[in-house]
Amino acid sequence: EVQMLESGGGLVQPGGSLRLSCAASGFTFSTYAMNWVRQAPGKGLEWVSSITSSGGSTFYADSVKGRFTISRDNSKNTLYLQMDSLRAEDTAVYYCAKPRGSGYYRGIDYWGQGTLVTVSS
Amino acid sequence: QSALTQPASVSGSPGQSITISCTGTTSDVGGYNYVSWYQHHPGKAPKLMIYEVSNRPSGVSNRFSGSKSGSTASLTISGLQAEDEADYYCSSYTSSSTLVFGGGTKLTVL
Repeated sequence: EVQMLESGGGLVQPGGSLRLSCAASGFTFSTYAMNWVRQAPGKGLEWVSSITSSGGSTFYADSVKGRFTISRDNSKNTLYLQMDSLRAEDTAVYYCAKPRGSGYYRGIDYWGQGTLVTVSS
Repeated sequence: QSALTQPASVSGSPGQSITISCTGTTSDVGGYNYVSWYQHHPGKAPKLMIYEVSNRPSGVSNRFSGSKSGSTASLTISGLQAEDEADYYCSSYTSSSTLVFGGGTKLTVL
């Protein structure tokens, strides 16, 4: 059974940092690209970032480019999102999301339960 | 990276068919066959309903179908059921190697 368990969310002040983790199991993690998607309160889904299976290529939404860093440790089956210079508008539930195929763009077939990040003073 | 355009809401009676549109540009929806549709019940994880414009994952009812014409993709739900009431999102790959979601459509089953 595919499972993805996010952790690391919480309350942080504007300008602060957080690192989200996503522990994956039930599939061969090292062969899949991975994604982070978020949903702000009362808003729609927003793609945040993607990383290829090897970690060699990363992609970011303009809204987070230069502030967030996606990475992975295939030996630990874990995906990360380092979030720096956090802003109030980054407040959202962050989902770890597995694509159904080899590319990160081929539809997301499994989602984690989400972890809430709240940026507020 | 502008969001794809979806109607804010649609509604239909049980048994009817509805269609949700998703309009982008030639740099996203119109340029690639990597359009996906998700069903999202509040408090639950989104569910993939359609991938690559018109393909249904295993386990998804054949009442759900997808298509694309130019830069507009569409999700059609036939034989509406009460359980179909949810938020629906489209997404597409873009020429910038990013992904973009639509703003979401709230489906109400009357």
